[in-house]
Amino acid sequence: NAGVTQTPKFRVLKTGQSMTLLCAQDMNHEYMYWYRQDPGMGLRLIHYSVGEGTTAKGEVPDGYNVSRLKKQNFLLGLESAAPSQTSVYFCASSRGLVDTPHNEQFFGPGTRLTVL
Amino acid sequence: GQNIDQPTEMTATEGAIVQINCTYQTSGFNGLFWYQQHAGEAPTFLSYNVLDGLEEKGRFSSFLSRSKGYSYLLLKELQMKDSASYLCAVRPPGQAGKSTFGDGTTLTVKP
Repeated sequence: NAGVTQTPKFRVLKTGQSMTLLCAQDMNHEYMYWYRQDPGMGLRLIHYSVGEGTTAKGEVPDGYNVSRLKKQNFLLGLESAAPSQTSVYFCASSRGLVDTPHNEQFFGPGTRLTVL
Repeated sequence: GQNIDQPTEMTATEGAIVQINCTYQTSGFNGLFWYQQHAGEAPTFLSYNVLDGLEEKGRFSSFLSRSKGYSYLLLKELQMKDSASYLCAVRPPGQAGKSTFGDGTTLTVKP
């Protein structure tokens, strides 16, 4: 049981380049989330998904797009990277409200992205 | 919206007890989480409170007062490995499992 995995672990981009971050979970979780974490700050929600084929905006969605074509995968895309998007990106998943009132989130190891 | 406040940093001595506070102002409430995050690693779940009172889990306990918008995480018998950031997160009702995170409290445990 790998839990939540993210690829790549590190990436350096030049301004204007595009890339996709991949998140995969093997726990059959309904909900998935993408966060960014900047130094000394908490997690800010970018986008989330409550099921296959559905996505919704979080607190800081501008400059990012997402897709959830399969239940186990959640992709985060940067169409034209900017230095302000330099951050650590965490993916998370949770069971969903129906199964448990706790709905704690399980996090992947993170992707460290630098945009020059 | 959600507004969550935690102290930025705390220092404590190995073997001691430390209390990390979290206050929140929300338009609704459906539970409060505490997560632990070691430097360079992912957050991991510690505790969940939805009713008032104290939840104990080994060396860690978490308390909630909904009327005061207040929670604390109590760490007993501190160990060096407890040096980490502790994130308070509040879940509003009907928000598809989303939680709003505070900025975290960085705890340093000294020998």
